[in-house]
Amino acid sequence: GENVGLHLPTLSVQEGDNSIINCAYSNSASDYFIWYKQESGKGPQFIIDIRSNMDKRQGQRVTVLLNKTVKHLSLQIAATQPGDSAVYFCAEKTGSGTYKYIFGTGTRLKVLA
Amino acid sequence: EPEVTQTPSHQVTQMGQEVILRCVPISNHLYFYWYRQILGQKVEFLVSFYNNEISEKSEIFDDQFSVERPDGSNFTLKIRSTKLEDSAMYFCASTRANLGEQYFGPGTRLTVT
Repeated sequence: GENVGLHLPTLSVQEGDNSIINCAYSNSASDYFIWYKQESGKGPQFIIDIRSNMDKRQGQRVTVLLNKTVKHLSLQIAATQPGDSAVYFCAEKTGSGTYKYIFGTGTRLKVLA
Repeated sequence: EPEVTQTPSHQVTQMGQEVILRCVPISNHLYFYWYRQILGQKVEFLVSFYNNEISEKSEIFDDQFSVERPDGSNFTLKIRSTKLEDSAMYFCASTRANLGEQYFGPGTRLTVT
């Protein structure tokens, strides 16, 4: 069945270091991917997205990499700040013409001062 | 900045009772979603809604669930006969297009006793 999962449930990084959060997906028909940040008590907040016809997309301090060969998605956060501490989810849209999004299990990012 | 709003923020109900969770999506958005998140778990897709009808629904969204956009601004999720396992945070989201940033509301915490 569909399975979007994260390898590391908790990631601790020093402030100022770069963070890499990983996500595996199993649906090869998924054509669109999103990374979300969720702070405690709040709804998910969009960070960055990528379509399946791309392998890299950059935003402000964030980069998403997509490797369709191994069905892997990563989120890189440059110069991690205390405000980046949150749970990060990847989500996949399960194919063109669908409106269904499957979320991964989440990774908690802890930024150490 | 426009935002998705949800009411109530917390709903407590007895098992077997009907609940209606309300959402006001961003005004020029066309695609609407409901998700739920059981405490400490990942976000789960429930249903997507476009052009006044359901586009997609998950296995969770059984006959006990229904959605409605009664007046062009509100988007509601009804659970006809709540079960203990329906206790979760319920998030509404909206997008302007079928791809792109999903704006999430702050959520309604549903507690079924």
